[in-house]
Amino acid sequence: DAGVIQSPRHEVTEMGQEVTLRCKPISGHDYLFWYRQTMMRGLELLIYFNNNVPIDDSGMPEDRFSAKMPNASFSTLKIQPSEPRDSAVYFCASSLYGAHYEQYFGPGTRLTVT
Amino acid sequence: DAKTTQPNSMESNEEEPVHLPCNHSTISGTDYIHWYRQLPSQGPEYVIHGLTSNVNNRMASLAIAEDRKSSTLILHRATLRDAAVYYCILSPQDFGNEKLTFGTGTRLTIIP
Repeated sequence: DAGVIQSPRHEVTEMGQEVTLRCKPISGHDYLFWYRQTMMRGLELLIYFNNNVPIDDSGMPEDRFSAKMPNASFSTLKIQPSEPRDSAVYFCASSLYGAHYEQYFGPGTRLTVT
Repeated sequence: DAKTTQPNSMESNEEEPVHLPCNHSTISGTDYIHWYRQLPSQGPEYVIHGLTSNVNNRMASLAIAEDRKSSTLILHRATLRDAAVYYCILSPQDFGNEKLTFGTGTRLTIIP
């Protein structure tokens, strides 16, 4: 398996623009997690899905952030409108049975909002 | 949620064993102990996890204290590739609560 795939790997955008980050989990994994990592706040869980259904979005910072999982092999994290404070590395991870088992992380998307 | 305490940084010589400590004095009876590591410019990588008994895999060993209030990740023979930030995380065995809360971890430096 190719592992968790994220795209793009790097994104530079201007404040106010819409940004869409994409993730393809490992085939057969029922759980998908979106994390954000910054120097100030470390690695934070934003939202996670089980069988394509959002279970906990309490980590989503505000209404500008939204995440979807239309099918088992694809998820998006959208920021609209983007702000400079959204600059971070965004990771997607998937797991076969949930957080109590091994999570496989993607390489991340480095987002820079100017 | 129960919290973990780890040293901010550690150094070790290449080809020597490394013992990374983690304190979790408020751990509950059903909390799993997870270790992940993050190499520079990469996503976190699973290392090992356990509940009560010591665990071994190809990457490392996890030694869990009898009272479960502390644990130690053991890298048997450190290589330069083991230089990373190591996170010790507790996860409750609650289905429907699938969160892993990452702390600041221990930055491990390997000296050639």
